[in-house]
Amino acid sequence: KAGVTQTPRYLIKTRGQQVTLSCSPISGHRSVSWYQQTPGQGLQFLFEYFSETQRNKGNFPGRFSGRQFSNSRSEMNVSTLELGDSALYLCASSFDPPPSGNYGYTFGSGTRLTVV
Amino acid sequence: GQQVMQIPQYQHVQEGEDFTTYCNSSTTLSNIQWYKQRPGGHPVFLIQLVKSGEVKKQKRLTFQFGEAKKNSSLHITATQTTDVGTYFCAGPMDSNYQLIWGAGTKLIIKP
Repeated sequence: KAGVTQTPRYLIKTRGQQVTLSCSPISGHRSVSWYQQTPGQGLQFLFEYFSETQRNKGNFPGRFSGRQFSNSRSEMNVSTLELGDSALYLCASSFDPPPSGNYGYTFGSGTRLTVV
Repeated sequence: GQQVMQIPQYQHVQEGEDFTTYCNSSTTLSNIQWYKQRPGGHPVFLIQLVKSGEVKKQKRLTFQFGEAKKNSSLHITATQTTDVGTYFCAGPMDSNYQLIWGAGTKLIIKP
């Protein structure tokens, strides 16, 4: 079966611009989580969606937002980009009916965002 | 707040030596998951442990979940170059089941 698809793979944006990243989960997976990873850093949780509802949110400023569509595809948006937003953004999907946390995540290859 | 601590941050080994990474949670976990991220890649799910005292093996990898379900370890026997990468553990929070991640242990094979 197809894996988690993230588009685009690479992106270069200018400070102050906004960006939208897309994630298509594995068919049948309804939970989608987003993470930010910077060089040498671990996984910083952004938010999680399940059945079009944001279930959890990490400690990121309001410039970071997301949504999930009825087909479970998800997008995340970052407005007013800053240099520090340069990172690998990873999407992960899981078959995860609440309450759970009991299923492994399948990650996409990520979108590498560079802000100049 | 609930935390998962993972040590060491880095481990340098000669090829053929063993490698171990440890995770400790501040609270009891319902399960613990392990992931591997190759350099330049994305995390890949390795395994999930659920039962107290559980031990699972995948070829040269041995995963353990402590009796109190607060700690876990991953041991690799006779490391190979294909084992290079960062190994993460993660467990669900009590309050909202969101995964809490360890900081990862980077396995480096000395030339």
